[in-house]
Amino acid sequence: SQQGEEDPQALSIQEGENATMNCSYKTSINNLQWYRQNSGRGLVHLILIRSNEREKHSGRLRVTLDTSKKSSSLLITASRAADTASYFCATLLKTSYDKVIFGPGTSLSVIP
Amino acid sequence: EAQVTQNPRYLITVTGKKLTVTCSQNMNHEYMSWYRQDPGLGLRQIYYSMNVEVTDKGDVPEGYKVSRKEKRNFPLILESPSPNQTSLYFCASSPGSIFREQYFGPGTRLTVT
Repeated sequence: SQQGEEDPQALSIQEGENATMNCSYKTSINNLQWYRQNSGRGLVHLILIRSNEREKHSGRLRVTLDTSKKSSSLLITASRAADTASYFCATLLKTSYDKVIFGPGTSLSVIP
Repeated sequence: EAQVTQNPRYLITVTGKKLTVTCSQNMNHEYMSWYRQDPGLGLRQIYYSMNVEVTDKGDVPEGYKVSRKEKRNFPLILESPSPNQTSLYFCASSPGSIFREQYFGPGTRLTVT
């Protein structure tokens, strides 16, 4: 079963705009991670946020985590055409320490 | 260069013909995992391994086998492939604990006819 669910499924924006993607999950987690995938290639880790953290930054990326709402958001600021990719959230289940569950992803298109 | 390699990258086979997809990492990572990716379903974990000789089922283990005889290698075995195993497969590794980020291989696109 899929724990993480991204929203929206697809997003199209103009270059320079900000892109926000959301992820919801169902059970308690140890951490939540965001990954990027370019067109059928391997996933690339973007950022990890632990369950006791509320916000984390990495370059143009900002991730928030709200454990009371069981949700996380990924904000990409000043988007570029190179940001066009699919973005996935992944959660580590507390009930099964080693299992990582990925959501179905958000497909982001950044139009030059 | 630190990397996860998979072979083959593309494979077309017929139902019932045993196949192995190899995965190797050169980062001395303890944790390794196999995922399959299908449209609209994201990535689903097949098997994972915390270390040599330690493996466990993920969410969709049926029809697959794995082994971890060496730290660097984690092959995925399909003893009798079926068309519903047509998918894009990814191997990943992670240092120490799964708390850390996973490093993914380039993927193996498998078609079973």
